[in-house]
Amino acid sequence: QITLKESGPTLVKPTQTLTLTCTFSGFSLTPRGVGVGWVRQPPGKALEWLALIYWNDDKRYSPSLKGRLTVTRDTSKTQVVLTMTNMYPVDTATYYCAHLYDYWTAPDYWGQGTLVTVSS
Amino acid sequence: QSVLTQPPSFSGTPGQRVSISCSGSNSNIGSNTVNWYQQVPGTAPKVLIYSNNQRPSGVPDRFSGFKSGTSASLAISGVQPEDEGDYYCATWDDSLNGVIFGGGTKLTVL
Repeated sequence: QITLKESGPTLVKPTQTLTLTCTFSGFSLTPRGVGVGWVRQPPGKALEWLALIYWNDDKRYSPSLKGRLTVTRDTSKTQVVLTMTNMYPVDTATYYCAHLYDYWTAPDYWGQGTLVTVSS
Repeated sequence: QSVLTQPPSFSGTPGQRVSISCSGSNSNIGSNTVNWYQQVPGTAPKVLIYSNNQRPSGVPDRFSGFKSGTSASLAISGVQPEDEGDYYCATWDDSLNGVIFGGGTKLTVL
């Protein structure tokens, strides 16, 4: 059974850096094509893809946020970490991590999400 | 504005067949597979359809997915009150080199 869970701060101040951790089980980041992605959803708005990392450490980022995002993996601990710099109130959202089963596909299994509020 | 276009809202009566559309282009739906998600307010998205028309175990067979050219659709045959929620389509975009989502469709069961 594939499960994912996000963890990190619920409140960050403007200009600070956000670091979120996705801890997963039921799969490993070693089979070809498998990946873990990050998606966010501002309150009342649609889903927005942020970044992903594949089994071979190949990384992709949303063009609109590319300069602010870094995604890394720790295969021994079955974790993926997302870092987003220079946070502002517009970045307030629920952040999800999700499993990708192959290249050039959208996610299938999702974590429960974590709400991050950006406020002074 | 989302790259994939979905109707903002849709409604149906219990037992009715409803279909939600998702329109894209050659660089996304035209070249890659489509997933559909259901999101009940306050919860995470749940995959209903993956790889255009594949249903994960546990998803009722009244949900089905279709893709033709640069468009896709999610059909619910015999919609139920518990099907109310937001529905999103998603796929890979070769030009953006990443995942894209539709703007979401809010389904109301009258």
